[in-house]
Amino acid sequence: AQSVAQPEDQVNVAEGNPLTVKCTYSVSGNPYLFWYVQYPNRGLQFLLKYITGDNLVKGSYGFEAEFNKSQTSFHLKKPSALVSDSALYFCAVSPFGGKLIFGQGTELSVKP
Amino acid sequence: GAVVSQHPSWVICKSGTSVKIECRSLDFQATTMFWYRQFPKQSLMLMATSNEGSKATYEQGVEKDKFLINHASLTLSTLTVTSAHPEDSSFYICSARVNSGSSGTDTQYFGPGTRLTVL
Repeated sequence: AQSVAQPEDQVNVAEGNPLTVKCTYSVSGNPYLFWYVQYPNRGLQFLLKYITGDNLVKGSYGFEAEFNKSQTSFHLKKPSALVSDSALYFCAVSPFGGKLIFGQGTELSVKP
Repeated sequence: GAVVSQHPSWVICKSGTSVKIECRSLDFQATTMFWYRQFPKQSLMLMATSNEGSKATYEQGVEKDKFLINHASLTLSTLTVTSAHPEDSSFYICSARVNSGSSGTDTQYFGPGTRLTVL
């Protein structure tokens, strides 16, 4: 079955420190992977996606993600966290027909 | 670019009434739009896929007669919750897919969501 797992419900980081939000996937075939961010009572904002090519994908707001095929992971990273990065982050995979399968979400909290 | 709007942003209605939610792609055409439902602190649950000019495809367990979807143009899809009940209260989010010829790699852009409260 196609699935996405975000093993951490919450990640706490101090402002200025690097952050990582973890995501692992299980799909057959080539995985198309996405990261979205959701602020309270808002829709999702697209951050970045991996389709093919370079394993390190750069996205919006200074975020990047590293695709690791052997570990079936697609972790989201940022070198220096901001308080304004505090939000709910979703990893998603698009296995077929353009549908997205979402992970359960990780709440990122960045403290000053 | 790739902006999706939803209207209304919130709605309160009485039990038994119907509510229509609009989803518009403002600066691109979307052959396909999606409707999701999200409960507090939870992930998004895909309800249905809306294709312009054809019937929507509903996910398993979603009542198509209760959640009516119409995709009348390349920029507008509507979700009507018929005979709403308190258990239908939720955050409804739509998305529109930017077509690049390969559906699996296309990016979905999301609307800001509609908070429905049924009394």
